[in-house]
Amino acid sequence: DVVLTQTPPTLSATIGQSVSISCRSSQSLLDSDGDTYLNWLLQRPGQSPQLLIYSVSNLESGVPNRFSGSGSETDFTLKISGVEAEDLGVYYCMQATHAPYTFGAGTKLELK
Amino acid sequence: EVQLQESGPGLVKPSQSLSLTCSVTGYSITSNYWGWIRKFPGNKMEWMGYISYSGSTSYNPSLKSRISITRDTSKNQFFLQLNSVTTEDTATYYCARLTITRDFDYWGQGVMVTVSS
Repeated sequence: DVVLTQTPPTLSATIGQSVSISCRSSQSLLDSDGDTYLNWLLQRPGQSPQLLIYSVSNLESGVPNRFSGSGSETDFTLKISGVEAEDLGVYYCMQATHAPYTFGAGTKLELK
Repeated sequence: EVQLQESGPGLVKPSQSLSLTCSVTGYSITSNYWGWIRKFPGNKMEWMGYISYSGSTSYNPSLKSRISITRDTSKNQFFLQLNSVTTEDTATYYCARLTITRDFDYWGQGVMVTVSS
């Protein structure tokens, strides 16, 4: 199975600070169809996971544009440009290029 | 608006079967793919499997022959059955819609299932 390694496991930030989360894959996530199926989700406390970014860098409808995704092959990054209080929770990367789909272990974003 | 809601028992005894229902409103399950994902205590997430618009299925090999996902299109529901459960199956179970770009864009609220005697 593809292993996704997220760093850091915990991130402390102040409101307005820009932060980044890394997701490294044990295999290239470039699919034979030319797409790269790497997604980012946020699970706020007490809520279901919410899709933020799909296919590396595409912002899901309704998600603020302070969220952005980048990367290729095995190295991916989620950036939050100006953390807001509602951004707190656990962030997951998830790959759907190779079956079975797998998730990173999560990065918990806390307020400093 | 697409909405999903899981339902089922919150407590299952070891060696028995876990059965959950996902009721979908606002969208037909004869389109797209529909999956089950679980979150274990401590944040680990696991994709369990999905059922397609045509009724075909795909499962995580880690669940081997214990898992079955079926559907009732007349009720716009799909189901999870996990057999021979152990305490390691204790988790919050989510159903979600899987899009053509292979992302889960709509999720249910989740149902916590504890396996205990």
